[in-house]
Amino acid sequence: AQRVTQPEKLLSVFKGAPVELKCNYSYSGSPELFWYVQYSRQRLQLLLRHISRESIKGFTADLNKGETSFHLKKPFAQEEDSAMYYCALIINAGGTSYGKLTFGQGTILTVHP
Amino acid sequence: DGGITQSPKYLFRKEGQNVTLSCEQNLNHDAMYWYRQDPGQGLRLIYYSQIVNDFQKGDIAEGYSVSREKKESFPLTVTSAQKNPTAFYLCASSITRDRGYTFGSGTRLTVV
Repeated sequence: AQRVTQPEKLLSVFKGAPVELKCNYSYSGSPELFWYVQYSRQRLQLLLRHISRESIKGFTADLNKGETSFHLKKPFAQEEDSAMYYCALIINAGGTSYGKLTFGQGTILTVHP
Repeated sequence: DGGITQSPKYLFRKEGQNVTLSCEQNLNHDAMYWYRQDPGQGLRLIYYSQIVNDFQKGDIAEGYSVSREKKESFPLTVTSAQKNPTAFYLCASSITRDRGYTFGSGTRLTVV
């Protein structure tokens, strides 16, 4: 069965410091991976998708199939980055174009001034 | 303004009662999902539906039931059989697997 692991429940950095939120997965197929973010008092929202290889709000994430990882990185953290971050993996639900998302446990990032 | 609406925002239930959480979307998404969010456990899938009049159990379906009579609506009933129903419930929808999900703002259920 697929599994997503985020080893850090809490992560604290200072403003301007680099930040890396770790995500490891186990899945026998070809994964599609996502990072979701939940800011205080806001709904959970998509941050980025590995398939699009994009950079959102300065964050990037590279899929490393050898290490089965999808770590989220930002070179210079900002206070507004403080939030809960979830790594998620999607599997094919019955061969359709829709997928079931499996989430990690989440990491709370706090960026101090 | 397109999106997903969950209601109510807060819900209190007495032990032994069933309660239904509403989820409505106007995004024209075919697939809809219910997750439960607990501290330290991430989000766990309860039920999902890919098409009207069809739905499947997720990882923690025991004590829950759903219906999908309309494309826009996917209500979740928390029955008295659910042993630990106090939690934050999130509804989501998607159009294709690579687009990710759109989430509602959630319903916090407390059993008193």
